[in-house]
Amino acid sequence: KAGVTQTPRYLIKTRGQQVTLSCSPISGHRSVSWYQQTPGQGLQFLFEYFSETQRNKGNFPGRFSGRQFSNSRSEMNVSTLELGDSALYLCASSLDRGGANSPLHFGNGTRLTVT
Amino acid sequence: AQSVTQLDSQVPVFEEAPVELRCNYSSSVSVYLFWYVQYPNQGLQLLLKYLSGSTLVKGINGFEAEFNKSQTSFHLRKPSVHISDTAEYFCSVSAGGGADGLTFGKGTHLIIQP
Repeated sequence: KAGVTQTPRYLIKTRGQQVTLSCSPISGHRSVSWYQQTPGQGLQFLFEYFSETQRNKGNFPGRFSGRQFSNSRSEMNVSTLELGDSALYLCASSLDRGGANSPLHFGNGTRLTVT
Repeated sequence: AQSVTQLDSQVPVFEEAPVELRCNYSSSVSVYLFWYVQYPNQGLQLLLKYLSGSTLVKGINGFEAEFNKSQTSFHLRKPSVHISDTAEYFCSVSAGGGADGLTFGKGTHLIIQP
């Protein structure tokens, strides 16, 4: 079974631009969660989608948004990029709501650098 | 609200020695607990999980962890480490049936010295 696939692997953007990251979950998984990982803040929860609905949202500004498609693939978008948005963005999928009793399966992440 | 504290940001250990990575959590409701490992330039991989039942849980790669409700701890142990265990380890908690999502600790960097 293929794992969680995130594209692109690396991305360099300029301040003020916007970016879209993509995540394909494990086949059969209906929940997709997004996390931001930085050296200073560690892993921070962005949001979770389940059956195309946002079920949970972390404490991030409205510049961060996401969506999930009917095939469970998910995208996250960051508008008006800031230098502080430079991070590793991790996507994780699970059968059910992430964390409850359905462990998360992570992709290898997208490394976003904002210059 | 739930929180996780990993007391050590870095733990150096000699190869074949035992290791314990400490994790304490805070939650007002029942919890599910997890340990994840992250190798360089990769995502996180589940090591083990505690959902209910026996407080001693065994995971992959020879790791085990013990859930201690009275001390609100979930420490990770391995009796003999290998150079390949060098990685970042994250403790995480999901409380209230997962309604608040998964909260991660800051991570512990395990450094294996030959």
